[in-house]
Amino acid sequence: GQQLNQSPQSMFIQEGEDVSMNCTSSSIFNTWLWYKQEPGEGPVLLIALYKAGELTSNGRLTAQFGITRKDSFLNISASIPSDVGIYFCAGRETDSWGKLQFGAGTQVVVTP
Amino acid sequence: DARVTQTPRHKVTEMGQEVTMRCQPILGHNTVFWYRQTMMQGLELLAYFRNRAPLDDSGMPKDRFSAEMPDATLATLKIQPSEPRDSAVYFCASGLSVGYEQYFGPGTRLTVT
Repeated sequence: GQQLNQSPQSMFIQEGEDVSMNCTSSSIFNTWLWYKQEPGEGPVLLIALYKAGELTSNGRLTAQFGITRKDSFLNISASIPSDVGIYFCAGRETDSWGKLQFGAGTQVVVTP
Repeated sequence: DARVTQTPRHKVTEMGQEVTMRCQPILGHNTVFWYRQTMMQGLELLAYFRNRAPLDDSGMPKDRFSAEMPDATLATLKIQPSEPRDSAVYFCASGLSVGYEQYFGPGTRLTVT
């Protein structure tokens, strides 16, 4: 089950608005990943972060690896209807041999 | 367009039957992960492999679940016998190596009646 605290649980926003979500951990991580999942599909990797303080963009998406190494956030700017889905954070501890911990997800609903 | 493939996409079976799910990782990826997703538990890691060798299967009910990699292009997850509580979506993911990103397949939606 989840070991990361992801918030908010859901967001209902209007098209054009910005979206922000974050994830926190009780452990220090060396990797943060952000995924998007649409109904009936598997999670799709959006952004990967490997260094504390790293800020990475992918189109209208921007994610940052927190400097404490215990948190990360994802921003979506100027939301559009196709941004609808569930966004998951995932993180990895240094000695985890590749095992990811996942957040519970943030459901984003965009209304025209 | 490299992607993880999974078969079948949907499976409905009766309690007690054997279920086999298959996964083809992205060519060149040496780590393969099996996850189960439910509304209650979210994404749970069941087992994973590196270079076809199991690294950790502590997330799997050992009495009924088994995971193998017969070769580098095929990973299987078997449930025998299946139970209604096994109903979930099972995902396979692969990665270049243990410290890299994981790429998910489309999943197998299993319903056990």
